[in-house]
Amino acid sequence: GAGVSQSPSNKVTEKGKDVELRCDPISGHTALYWYRQSLGQGLEFLIYFQGNSAPDKSGLPSDRFSAERTGGSVSTLTIQRTQQEDSAVYLCASSQRRLAGQETQYFGPGTRLLVL
Amino acid sequence: AQSVAQPEDQVNVAEGNPLTVKCTYSVSGNPYLFWYVQYPNRGLQFLLKYITGDNLVKGSYGFEAEFNKSQTSFHLKKPSALVSDSALYFCAVRDNRVRGGGFKTIFGAGTRLFVKA
Repeated sequence: GAGVSQSPSNKVTEKGKDVELRCDPISGHTALYWYRQSLGQGLEFLIYFQGNSAPDKSGLPSDRFSAERTGGSVSTLTIQRTQQEDSAVYLCASSQRRLAGQETQYFGPGTRLLVL
Repeated sequence: AQSVAQPEDQVNVAEGNPLTVKCTYSVSGNPYLFWYVQYPNRGLQFLLKYITGDNLVKGSYGFEAEFNKSQTSFHLKKPSALVSDSALYFCAVRDNRVRGGGFKTIFGAGTRLFVKA
């Protein structure tokens, strides 16, 4: 079956512009995660959606970052007024919630964002 | 607070030799531990996980990891490395206690494995 897909695969933007990154999770997966992978760094947790529960936004680095998940499926990560330090690979993952915390996450290929 | 450390940025090993990629963790409750691998130009793939039970966990591609509670470690191992194992490896941890709306997974900084022919 189809895996997690993300679009666009690459995005180049100018400093100060807004960008939207899209994630299509695996069908039936109730949990969705966004991470950021900067050059030479590990994965940084950004936000977590689980079903209809309030999202865990504790990883968002500033109020320029926001995310939503419509209809419990597709998610959009929005970065407003982009800065050069926002340049990174943004990864989305989804999982099928089983016993809480034990589920395996399936990752998309990522969106490589470059802010000039 | 949860944390995970991968003390080696890079591990070099000759093909056919055993490999170890180190990971230590810190959680308040009991840990759920994961290893993921990222091959060049590809997304992260799940390798294995420890939830409970046997301390030695076997995963994909011949990899295994040993949970050591006293040393708070979850090192990734393989008896005989292949050149194709060269990739970036991430250790991850979750606390088994529920907080708020979900479970935050903390990833290590990653260890790049180079296997030479």
